[in-house]
Amino acid sequence: GEDVEQSLFLSVREGDSSVINCTYTDSSSTYLYWYKQEPGAGLQLLTYIFSNMDMKQDQRLTVLLNKKDKHLSLRIADTQTGDSAIYFCAESSPNTGNQFYFGTGTSLTVIP
Amino acid sequence: DAMVIQNPRYQVTQFGKPVTLSCSQTLNHNVMYWYQQKSSQAPKLLFHYYDKDFNNEADTPDNFQSRRPNTSFCFLDIRSPGLGDAAMYLCATSSEVSPYEQYFGPGTRLTVT
Repeated sequence: GEDVEQSLFLSVREGDSSVINCTYTDSSSTYLYWYKQEPGAGLQLLTYIFSNMDMKQDQRLTVLLNKKDKHLSLRIADTQTGDSAIYFCAESSPNTGNQFYFGTGTSLTVIP
Repeated sequence: DAMVIQNPRYQVTQFGKPVTLSCSQTLNHNVMYWYQQKSSQAPKLLFHYYDKDFNNEADTPDNFQSRRPNTSFCFLDIRSPGLGDAAMYLCATSSEVSPYEQYFGPGTRLTVT
């Protein structure tokens, strides 16, 4: 499978911005995603970006894509305690049958 | 609300005792997926159905089987669970119209004793 890498842990103070980073190896990746997983729950699709875009903003979430460096980031503005969760980066491509390849997840802890 | 439902949320089975996990969806999506997620790991795709066409991942053990009797339902059968099969099992769906959007159920946490 394709490699999708994330740092394992991130800790931020409530009200600060969080930036979660992801790198991937498949240069043919068409779609890149961010999913949120709360304890004991399934994965919730937060946002996704097409590979021909370099930025997407959705309320408190900003996704930046550097296709040259194969680097994706998720910025959460004004981070709240309810944002504490594991965040998974994923990518898919028609070249691999649109199969999703997930990173190992970044555990975000928001300190009140 | 349209959604992906998994039952049960928690399942305990004994070593070697067959177990079935179920997934249903009201999204009318034609693609359904089963993922295995072990603690602190990324979800790993086991297999998926494109309509009735079954697609098994190359490294999915033979111990894992699946059935999809209709569009709405999909089952994961573990014929002889081992201790290493304890995990969260996630069902997901997508539509061929927008294959880049996968919607996940809440998962079933399987414990093997």
